[in-house]
Amino acid sequence: EAAVTQSPRSKVAVTGGKVTLSCHQTNNHDYMYWYRQDTGHGLRLIHYSYVADSTEKGDIPDGYKASRPSQENFSLILELASLSQTAVYFCASSDAGGNTGQLYFGEGSKLTVL
Amino acid sequence: GQQVKQSSPSLTVQEGGILILNCDYENDMFDYFAWYKKYPDNSPTLLISVRSNVDKREDGRFTVFLNKSGKHFSLHITASQPEDTAVYLCAAGLNQGGSAKLIFGEGTKLTVSS
Repeated sequence: EAAVTQSPRSKVAVTGGKVTLSCHQTNNHDYMYWYRQDTGHGLRLIHYSYVADSTEKGDIPDGYKASRPSQENFSLILELASLSQTAVYFCASSDAGGNTGQLYFGEGSKLTVL
Repeated sequence: GQQVKQSSPSLTVQEGGILILNCDYENDMFDYFAWYKKYPDNSPTLLISVRSNVDKREDGRFTVFLNKSGKHFSLHITASQPEDTAVYLCAAGLNQGGSAKLIFGEGTKLTVSS
């Protein structure tokens, strides 16, 4: 069974503060992704990575950085958190060697910026 | 603009009924199409997917139809059950090297009443 774990599961941050969301996968997958979920917008891709030490911009990268220090770990960094970044964030992984393109999601991290 | 769009934010159906969820996309290069299911406070999970070389795929009560010329795909659910109550997210993308960079629709909240 695929396993993607996120931490923290819930966080309250102050405007202008730094937030780091962490993701760890034990699937031996090459690809990892960060999505955010907002009501009425579904899931939107922020950053993704297909190999350690390399990250790519997704569709809404502004205000976010990403870090992939190893195949298992992928972090999302908000250097200066803003109210508009209040959302639920999902990490996912997928197997570049597979044929389905299936994403395996973590449980989500609910971020509230005050 | 929204590259993948779901036409209905919510739907209600009686138990045992048939329902159709619709999704439109803009990029005619997309070659991978999927439906994910999401329960409240849970992560999305893959329900069914199809590649662009087929126009239909069936898995039990779930069937996905792909209309490439119309840039449209749909999910048909037969014999709906209360446990089908969830948010359904359509997704489309380019499946390159076995891993798809997916773009999600806004989601359709389905309620199956008993």
